[in-house]
Amino acid sequence: VQLVESGGGVVQPGKSLRLSCAASGFIFSNYVMHWVRQTPGKGPEWVAAIWYDGDNRYYADSVKGRFTISRDNSKNTVYLQMNSLRAEDTAVYYCARSFGRWDGFDIWGQGTMVTVSS
Amino acid sequence: QLVLTQSPSASASLGASVTLTCTLSSGHSSYAIAWHQQQPEKGPRYLMKLNSDGSHGKGDGIPDRFSGSSSGAERYLTISSLQSEDEADYYCQTWGTGIQVFGGGTKLTVL
Repeated sequence: VQLVESGGGVVQPGKSLRLSCAASGFIFSNYVMHWVRQTPGKGPEWVAAIWYDGDNRYYADSVKGRFTISRDNSKNTVYLQMNSLRAEDTAVYYCARSFGRWDGFDIWGQGTMVTVSS
Repeated sequence: QLVLTQSPSASASLGASVTLTCTLSSGHSSYAIAWHQQQPEKGPRYLMKLNSDGSHGKGDGIPDRFSGSSSGAERYLTISSLQSEDEADYYCQTWGTGIQVFGGGTKLTVL
């Protein structure tokens, strides 16, 4: 069972970036998928969630209107499209899964770093 | 407002036991939580889900040294027979409709 994030990097304020998270070892469509971010020395911050077949999506207020979560169950992959990036979006971004619609996370990825800087 | 409160730091000696506490905000004492461990420079690792009645289910491969319990709005993580690799940050997590919340974390030092 594994989640592997990719797509992080350095981007200028106002620009866009798309993160990917590839899942393996489990039936991807049976799980709700999440994106969570963390800045050094702070606790994780939930960013977004997408339900099993993608028909329901939820966002933290801090990213609503700028970030979009999506999934492709045929590719066992969840995405995070990040637009209008700000310096305060700088963080390590993790994907995670939960079995229930609103439930704890039982698997995390290793994270991908996003730095927003001019 | 759904909030989780954790003490910033804790310490205990090698081989001893330590109990970490996560407190749910007023009105949310029936909520379940999850405990996660984050070792330095690594992603978080799920330890267990802990219900308000103290029942809990652990993640795959989590040693028996890790256990959970509950009392009112408080959720506890007890680590016995402390080992050097237990030195890490420990976060609690809870959830409601449309929201996921994390505590600020407790940094555990093994002396």
